[in-house]
Amino acid sequence: AQKITQTQPGMFVQEKEAVTLDCTYDTSDPSYGLFWYKQPSSGEMIFLIYQGSYDQQNATEGRYSLNFQKARKSANLVISASQLGDSAMYFCAMREAAGGYQKVTFGTGTKLQVIP
Amino acid sequence: GAGVSQSPSNKVTEKGKDVELRCDPISGHTALYWYRQSLGQGLEFLIYFQGNSAPDKSGLPSDRFSAERTGGSVSTLTIQRTQQEDSAVYLCASSSPGLGVRDTQYFGPGTRLTVL
Repeated sequence: AQKITQTQPGMFVQEKEAVTLDCTYDTSDPSYGLFWYKQPSSGEMIFLIYQGSYDQQNATEGRYSLNFQKARKSANLVISASQLGDSAMYFCAMREAAGGYQKVTFGTGTKLQVIP
Repeated sequence: GAGVSQSPSNKVTEKGKDVELRCDPISGHTALYWYRQSLGQGLEFLIYFQGNSAPDKSGLPSDRFSAERTGGSVSTLTIQRTQQEDSAVYLCASSSPGLGVRDTQYFGPGTRLTVL
């Protein structure tokens, strides 16, 4: 079974609109962390936002917020007021406590294109 | 401060040749990861170093791949007798463990390897 599933290979959004990128995860570990990264065409992975399994509130970082629904095992990224520079690949990732923390599992990514 | 650096940014080689890819982590980061990203794909874990502990080599795809980390800082990923299927972007990340599942990886710009 996939540990991280991103079901949207590609998404389009109009500039200035909000967009939600889906991520579901699979773990039996009660302690885990969820991460979102942005990868522009330049190739570098840029850390966006983090959500811990025990965090009571949804994480927010500027225009990025994480819609964390623990019972459904989903951690969707919401980008508000999309900008042309948001066009990129977006990866969801999970770090589990079991096994000593070193393994981080990445999803296959969602390609977001912002339309002027 | 300086981020993760990788060199070379691009490497073109002939099938059968050996290549060395270098990663210089963020100063003070004791954990270092290598990933491989094939065209349009997600990240494939290769190897993990943490301090003076034995590296986790569980992701290395074959014995043609090896990596070392000298002095707990710079790391070199070596691919011997390169094959065309080794063509990919090789990404390095570093982090500062101690935060458990919150430990965030910071990535370098990657090395694009092309095997002719």
